[in-house]
Amino acid sequence: EVQLVESGGGLVKPGGSLRLSCAASGFTFSSYSMNWVRQAPGKGLEWVSSISSSSSYIYYADSVKGRFTISRDNAKNSLYLQMNSLRAEDTAVYYCVFGYWFDPWGQGTLVTVSS
Amino acid sequence: EIVLTQSPGTLSLSPGERATLSCRASQSVSSSYLAWYQQKPGQAPRLLIYGASSRATGIPDRFSGSGSGTDFTLTISRLEPEDFAVYYCQQYGSSLSYTFGQGTKLEIK
Repeated sequence: EVQLVESGGGLVKPGGSLRLSCAASGFTFSSYSMNWVRQAPGKGLEWVSSISSSSSYIYYADSVKGRFTISRDNAKNSLYLQMNSLRAEDTAVYYCVFGYWFDPWGQGTLVTVSS
Repeated sequence: EIVLTQSPGTLSLSPGERATLSCRASQSVSSSYLAWYQQKPGQAPRLLIYGASSRATGIPDRFSGSGSGTDFTLTISRLEPEDFAVYYCQQYGSSLSYTFGQGTKLEIK
């Protein structure tokens, strides 16, 4: 069974940093590009960042470029998102997903940026 | 960047009725990379349709997808009470880029 388990969310002050993790199981993690998608409270879904299977290609949404860094460890079947210079508008549930279409989704991890 | 525009923003229907949800792209999208999701309050999204018209595992056949180019449609043939939710379309573009529509809320009339 494919499973994606996000962790690392929490309450952080504006300007602070947080590192999210995603533990993947049930599929050949090293063969797939991986992504982070977020959803602000009461809002729609927003793609955040993607990383290719070997980490050769990395892309970011304009809204997080220069502040967030995506990475992966294929030996540990894990995906990461280092978030720096956090803003109130980064408050959201963050999901890790893979593939051209996303199935399944984990439960997500909530990041709250507030003073 | 491809923009996906969903309409209507809110759709009010009764159980048993047919629902038709639209997703329009700002430029042509490969049908292979167009998907639809359902999201209920407090839950993660669930994949319904991929490749514009293929149902995901376990999805009832009252859900169907169609379309090509810039116009795509999700149809629910006969609404069940559990179908009232928010629906999103999503496309995969080149260079690992993805976009979502803003969502259509399907509510009970």
